[in-house]
Amino acid sequence: DTGVSQNPRHKITKRGQNVTFRCDPISEHNRLYWYRQTLGQGPEFLTYFQNEAQLEKSRLLSDRFSAERPKGSFSTLEIQRTEQGDSAMYLCASSRTEAYGYTFGSGTRLTVV
Amino acid sequence: TQLLEQSPQFLSIQEGENLTVYCNSSSVFSSLQWYRQEPGEGPVLLVTVVTGGEVKKLKRLTFQFGDARKDSSLHITAAQPGDTGLYLCAGANTNAGKSTFGDGTTLTVKP
Repeated sequence: DTGVSQNPRHKITKRGQNVTFRCDPISEHNRLYWYRQTLGQGPEFLTYFQNEAQLEKSRLLSDRFSAERPKGSFSTLEIQRTEQGDSAMYLCASSRTEAYGYTFGSGTRLTVV
Repeated sequence: TQLLEQSPQFLSIQEGENLTVYCNSSSVFSSLQWYRQEPGEGPVLLVTVVTGGEVKKLKRLTFQFGDARKDSSLHITAAQPGDTGLYLCAGANTNAGKSTFGDGTTLTVKP
């Protein structure tokens, strides 16, 4: 097993453009999570899936953010009309249950200029 | 909202010293995890504690979960430069769906 894979590792985009990130979780894990992390802060919850169902989405997340997990395998996170405040590390994680910790990917570093 | 406060925010020590970092909350958690994160990478899970009063040892690292399951500590013995990183704690509750993270302690171990 190669762990959780995220692509791309880095993305630089102009303000107003749309971006999409991909996460491939560990195949045996049915739970998949997206978090966002800015410098000096811990990861902030965005959304999570159990299999293909999106079970929770943070109230802090604007309508410009959308996530999918078709067929319960890989997931994509799309940000529309990016803003400079969206600049952050976007982390994907997977797990079998929520109680025993996550396996994180290496993250996608987004810079909005 | 369940919040986790970690202290100290920054810690810089010399190689060979011992240290303890803390993770505190006013909320009860079913389990608590500790992660270590290096710059530009995702957090890596170190340990999960689930029972109040539980102590787990991982080589030079000792993790303790408070009796009331609201707080935890991480003690490192004879710190090495390779221990440098951001140490994050995260709390989870059964059926809550997600873990809540603290803002971490940034540890620097100087050779």
